[in-house]
Amino acid sequence: GQNIDQPTEMTATEGAIVQINCTYQTSGFNGLFWYQQHAGEAPTFLSYNVLDGLEEKGRFSSFLSRSKGYSYLLLKELQMKDSASYLCAVLGAGSYQLTFGKGTKLSVIP
Amino acid sequence: DADVTQTPRNRITKTGKRIMLECSQTKGHDRMYWYRQDPGLGLRLIYYSFDVKDINKGEISDGYSVSRQAQAKFSLSLESAIPNQTALYFCATSTTSGGAVPGELFFGEGSRLTVL
Repeated sequence: GQNIDQPTEMTATEGAIVQINCTYQTSGFNGLFWYQQHAGEAPTFLSYNVLDGLEEKGRFSSFLSRSKGYSYLLLKELQMKDSASYLCAVLGAGSYQLTFGKGTKLSVIP
Repeated sequence: DADVTQTPRNRITKTGKRIMLECSQTKGHDRMYWYRQDPGLGLRLIYYSFDVKDINKGEISDGYSVSRQAQAKFSLSLESAIPNQTALYFCATSTTSGGAVPGELFFGEGSRLTVL
């Protein structure tokens, strides 16, 4: 099975940088995803890491360390519209089922 | 138009009623999923289907059934709804072809179900 942990809530200031951590324990691993979900809306794909290291995509970056079972999502130059929940999800080995963490609700304040 | 469409978007029903949530997709994906989302619990997998003849239980299938009527259609049924099935339900699709990111999910807009 999978166990995925991420903080429940975080608050950050507009224009700042925030790092959202995710730790996981899994019996198999085929990659880690980050999704963004605004309140009442569907989750949307942000990033995918399958190898160790940093993947950068505009203001968002995602890091993976497979040996540590650890990932983070880095959001730079925060904007008010970044207020959302951020979901960490692990893709298990041998199948294509995503298991989601409970999500981190990020509030961006002026 | 959305690539993954769920109907109804909102439904209020009473305990014991039969409810069907429908999902259709125009993405041509072979894999379809039903998740439910509850505050503080995140997204949990109910059922998934890797093709028309393949149906699999997820983490929380009790009290639910599904039907894959065609590659593009996957419906979720609650035979006798109960209040703790009140939740936001999401249909999602994925594909293994065309260089897609393996396991990346494409979600419908959600169906909010309230069971009184």
